[in-house]
Amino acid sequence: DGGITQSPKYLFRKEGQNVTLSCEQNLNHDAMYWYRQDPGQGLRLIYYSQIVNDFQKGDIAEGYSVSREKKESFPLTVTSAQKNPTAFYLCASSMRGTATLAGGIGEQFFGPGTRLTVL
Amino acid sequence: AQSVAQPEDQVNVAEGNPLTVKCTYSVSGNPYLFWYVQYPNRGLQFLLKYITGDNLVKGSYGFEAEFNKSQTSFHLKKPSALVSDSALYFCAVSPLNNAGNMLTFGGGTRLMVKP
Repeated sequence: DGGITQSPKYLFRKEGQNVTLSCEQNLNHDAMYWYRQDPGQGLRLIYYSQIVNDFQKGDIAEGYSVSREKKESFPLTVTSAQKNPTAFYLCASSMRGTATLAGGIGEQFFGPGTRLTVL
Repeated sequence: AQSVAQPEDQVNVAEGNPLTVKCTYSVSGNPYLFWYVQYPNRGLQFLLKYITGDNLVKGSYGFEAEFNKSQTSFHLKKPSALVSDSALYFCAVSPLNNAGNMLTFGGGTRLMVKP
């Protein structure tokens, strides 16, 4: 998982609370991503950011918010509007891809994940 | 929109036997293809990728994958399985002209290697 850290490893939330998951990378990557993983399912993209101060919604952004004030950091807030937040959350980063980048787009590097449970 | 299918939820193989984990994809134009592995309660680890060139790609831990354009497949293989290979495997695809590095993942295949 080197180069990307996520904290905390386990997080418990009460109904109606907002919680923030931390993601930090020291790989000098421009792009960062948040995924949600549910048992027996693949990864679903929540939000992504290709550059500082810019981010885009993924496939399941409702009930989540992000910020990208620094290149190294991409925190995810799970708001009370997210009705079923219990899941494993994964952060990733990559070189910013372009169609002409030698070798094509870079692979995404993943953090160790945060397991969020609603009490 | 692109998609990835991993038709087997689980693959069982005996240690020392060859293994194959299947992946088919759908994408507009030429694809970038990736395989990742996930151990319990961990993040995903990159195994290998196909960008262009030789259809047989070699990756980490003795894994390789074969790109077959006509069958739109990118199956993961290993000649001799180890018990330590037991994990969850994900195939992912991105279209060639995707400047956003956006990956679409398959649902995952659990590989069980028995001694």
